Order: sequence, then structure tokens, then C-alpha cells
Amino acid sequence: AQKITQTQPGMFVQEKEAVTLDCTYDTSDPSYGLFWYKQPSSGEMIFLIYQGSYDQQNATEGRYSLNFQKARKSANLVISASQLGDSAMYFCAMRPYSSASKIIFGSGTRLSIRP
Amino acid sequence: EAQVTQNPRYLITVTGKKLTVTCSQNMNHEYMSWYRQDPGLGLRQIYYSMNVEVTDKGDVPEGYKVSRKEKRNFPLILESPSPNQTSLYFCASRIPGGELFFGEGSRLTVL
Repeated sequence: AQKITQTQPGMFVQEKEAVTLDCTYDTSDPSYGLFWYKQPSSGEMIFLIYQGSYDQQNATEGRYSLNFQKARKSANLVISASQLGDSAMYFCAMRPYSSASKIIFGSGTRLSIRP
Repeated sequence: EAQVTQNPRYLITVTGKKLTVTCSQNMNHEYMSWYRQDPGLGLRQIYYSMNVEVTDKGDVPEGYKVSRKEKRNFPLILESPSPNQTSLYFCASRIPGGELFFGEGSRLTVL
């Protein structure tokens, strides 16, 4: 079965600290893509970062980086120097290339940044 | 501005009263999809469309219908809404291999 697991329902982090949001995935596809989305309290879904399963390097986008460990089937999101505006729900998602019509989402992690 | 537009954004209705949530994208994307978001369950795919006149069921299609008569529009139809369809609904589109672009969401309450 193809599945995304986010084991942290909620996290509290002090402002300016780095934070890691966990994501593990399960697929038998040799080729797949991994995504992270942010959902602030206003409700919209914002794309943050993408990692392809054959990418040699971990993806980075500004303060966001993806710690991709293929053997462990994990794709953790790292946010450096957290800001109050990072408080939001974060979703990990996967698209197996054999099933191009489907992007599977995890249940999400609610991140709260303390001032 | 590239965007996916959903309407209505908020709706309260009663059991059995047919409703349609519209979705329109201006990016000429072939692929469009509907998701529902429920607490603790993340986003689950309802229906998707790979192109005009091509639609297929996602993971939770029961109680929903869709149509894709034009490339830009992908309405979600609830023929006879029930309280278990109370949810936050997202329409999304993308290019092949790309990330999903989401609409702003439609919060539906069925009494």
C-alpha cells in the first residue's frame, strides 16, 4: 500500500530555532516525487519544496530543506531559523510515478512557533 | 495572475439539497483534482481529471460527481448532500510531473 505517515500531530518550537518535521513514506515504486505543503490558519495550501526519488542532492528552498533518506523512506522537512509566520499546518505528500493521477497526503503536523 | 478559483468559499446547506462547487484555473493545466480535508485525515482525493471529458474516481468518490467539459473548469457536484460531507474542499491543478496548485478552499457544512 502507498502511504504517507506524519507521526507528530503538533509541535511547539521557540522562535529562531531550527525545526524538523518528520515524514515517512511507503511505496513499491522505484520512482516517485515527494512534496511539502504549508497551510496557514487562513486555509490556503502553499507549495514549499519538492524532492525526486532519483535526485542526488537534498532539495533546498530558502529556509526550507528536505532531509531525504531513501533507504529509510523518510523525507523530513527542516525549517531553519523559525519565524512566527511559520506557525501553520504542514503536509507531506508523495506522487508515485506509476500512478501519475494520484498525490497521497499525510495527516499533517501543526507547528506553533513561540515568541 | 496564475490561480485556481473556487466558489463558494463558505456554504451552509441542508441534507438533500443539491449543490455545486465551481472550480476554474487559468493556467491551461490538463490535470485537475478535488480533495477533501478532514481533521486527522489529511487531504483525500475525491475525483480527478487528466483532460477534457476524462474523469476518474479518487479514494473517496461516494456521494460526489464531477464533469470536465472545458479545460479550465472542473465543478464538484453533491447531488444529495449528507452531514458526513461536511468538510473543507480543495480544487487543484498541475502540469505533468509538477506540484499541485490549490484553490483557496471551500468550507461546506451540511445540516
